[in-house]
Amino acid sequence: DQQVKQNSPSLSVQEGRISILNCDYTNSMFDYFLWYKKYPAEGPTFLISISSIKDKNEDGRFTVFLNKSAKHLSLHIVPSQPGDSAVYFCAASVQTGANNLFFGTGTRLTVIP
Amino acid sequence: GAGVSQSPSNKVTEKGKDVELRCDPISGHTALYWYRQSLGQGLEFLIYFQGNSAPDKSGLPSDRFSAERTGGSVSTLTIQRTQQEDSAVYLCASSAQGTQYNEQFFGPGTRLTVL
Repeated sequence: DQQVKQNSPSLSVQEGRISILNCDYTNSMFDYFLWYKKYPAEGPTFLISISSIKDKNEDGRFTVFLNKSAKHLSLHIVPSQPGDSAVYFCAASVQTGANNLFFGTGTRLTVIP
Repeated sequence: GAGVSQSPSNKVTEKGKDVELRCDPISGHTALYWYRQSLGQGLEFLIYFQGNSAPDKSGLPSDRFSAERTGGSVSTLTIQRTQQEDSAVYLCASSAQGTQYNEQFFGPGTRLTVL
């Protein structure tokens, strides 16, 4: 049962435009959300996170929005750059013993120069 | 400094054989996680080690899977009597303390193919 869902397997945007990656979750107990970025043959690397007490977190070109009532979050990248081309994973956690992450299936972003 | 390393990077084995996958976490990190990513799936949690505490094995898919963490550092994930459905990328991650807000740093993964 996939508790974190990324329904768009791929997204292409022009360089300089905005990239919007979406993520939905089903478990209302999740209280911490993260985005990871993955290049081929490398492990995922942390990009940005947001706590459930917030609805927006911004870090440079990256902004994550959280809509708890809709159980939806999104990652905005603006302006998009060719180096942003990668697979982006949405992840969520609930404070438990393991604090393990629940991941979506990923969205492959291609930024076209 | 050195990140999380995993070996081998690729492993091809025959159905029914046992395999061992190794993870070297970042020095000083007390928490260590194993995840796997099957084709078309997200990363799936397998097991968690925190310091000297008993591991959280709640994500292990069957009793053919086991893991050890010796001396609070290196970890080995063992899959006995491998099946074709075990084919996946196995990822290891470590974090400083294992709390919810501690970033998990991932290794490059081991791609396991069971023929």
